[in-house]
Amino acid sequence: DGGITQSPKYLFRKEGQNVTLSCEQNLNHDAMYWYRQDPGQGLRLIYYSQIVNDFQKGDIAEGYSVSREKKESFPLTVTSAQKNPTAFYLCASSIALIGAGYEQYFGPGTRLTVT
Amino acid sequence: AQSVAQPEDQVNVAEGNPLTVKCTYSVSGNPYLFWYVQYPNRGLQFLLKYITGDNLVKGSYGFEAEFNKSQTSFHLKKPSALVSDSALYFCAVRGLSGGYQKVTFGIGTKLQVIP
Repeated sequence: DGGITQSPKYLFRKEGQNVTLSCEQNLNHDAMYWYRQDPGQGLRLIYYSQIVNDFQKGDIAEGYSVSREKKESFPLTVTSAQKNPTAFYLCASSIALIGAGYEQYFGPGTRLTVT
Repeated sequence: AQSVAQPEDQVNVAEGNPLTVKCTYSVSGNPYLFWYVQYPNRGLQFLLKYITGDNLVKGSYGFEAEFNKSQTSFHLKKPSALVSDSALYFCAVRGLSGGYQKVTFGIGTKLQVIP
């Protein structure tokens, strides 16, 4: 899983509560991403950031928020507005967002269960 | 809009036999193509990529992929499958979408190598 850590591995929350997923990288990468993985749907982009203090919505940003105060950290908050938050969440990074096809490095993931 | 198709939900192959996992894509401009592997409850690991040049790309763990521009395909191959290759494989394409480089993942193909 490279130099990306995600915590916790498993997370349980009650409906209506906000929850923050941690993502830290020591690869000195500029770009970071959050994906959601659901069975049979592949990976869907939630948010991405190409530089500190800048981030953009992906395809399914509703009900989620992020911050990028440090280069190595990109936490994701799943808010109570997210209608179906139970999923496997993956954080990734790459050298840069725009460039000659940089591959992404993924963390081990956090499995969030909301009941 | 760019897209990736992995037409097989699951591929079964006997240990020692060659394996192929299929991928076709649609993207504007020149594609950057990737293969990733995911073991259960883990993040994705980068296997190989095509940016330009030789149509046959070699990657990690003995895997290779062949880029075919006319058929818009990027099939993953390995001459001799191992039981340890059993995992979920994702094809991805990186192209321009809405002014930024976006990565689109396929839904994944489960590879089962039978001893």
